[in-house]
Amino acid sequence: NAGVIQTPRHKVTGKGQEATLWCEPISGHSAVFWYRQTIVQGLEFLTYFRNQAPIDDSGMPKERFSAQMPNQSHSTLKIQSTQPQDSAVYLCASSLVGGSSYEQYFGPGTRLTVL
Amino acid sequence: GDSVTQTEGLVTLTKGLPVMLNCTYQTTYSPFLFWYVQHLNEAPKLLLKSSTDNKRTEHQGFYATLHKSSSSFHLQKSSVQLSDSALYFCALSEGTNTGKLTFGDGTVLTVKP
Repeated sequence: NAGVIQTPRHKVTGKGQEATLWCEPISGHSAVFWYRQTIVQGLEFLTYFRNQAPIDDSGMPKERFSAQMPNQSHSTLKIQSTQPQDSAVYLCASSLVGGSSYEQYFGPGTRLTVL
Repeated sequence: GDSVTQTEGLVTLTKGLPVMLNCTYQTTYSPFLFWYVQHLNEAPKLLLKSSTDNKRTEHQGFYATLHKSSSSFHLQKSSVQLSDSALYFCALSEGTNTGKLTFGDGTVLTVKP
């Protein structure tokens, strides 16, 4: 079990550029979550997929951020026109099924730095 | 909306001493509470979880009891070790199918020799 895989581990972009972050959930897990971690805001929920369908995107900034899950083996988080305030560690997590009692397994994160 | 409060931002202790990290929450739903631990440059990992009122749950020497009457889920350990130095998050999931976690601000625990 390789765990949740996130690529790249580090990404540096210039202001205004696009950034695409990738997540491969644990095989057999049907729920995928995206979170953002910063010193100031802590860990914040962004969005959630279950069986590849978007279920809850209440934490996603309304502009410039989008997430997809085209198949059961990967999800992407895309940030258009990146801004310095987007600098954060973006964490992907998966769980066996969506639901409160199921453990979420986190990936190592992608550290995004916007210059 | 849901919220989680961790009152200590930084706790520094000497090895062998007991520790309690505070966690209180607010939700209108039936709560599931979690403690996650994050070591430096690593992913958060689940330490404890509970949804049962007044039942102690334990793992790796850490323990916590969910008290719905006081909306609390404090993390305790009787004797901290150097390897316990890490960032600890309390998190809340509402009792529905979403499973999304609301995290507290986290407590950095530093254990000194």
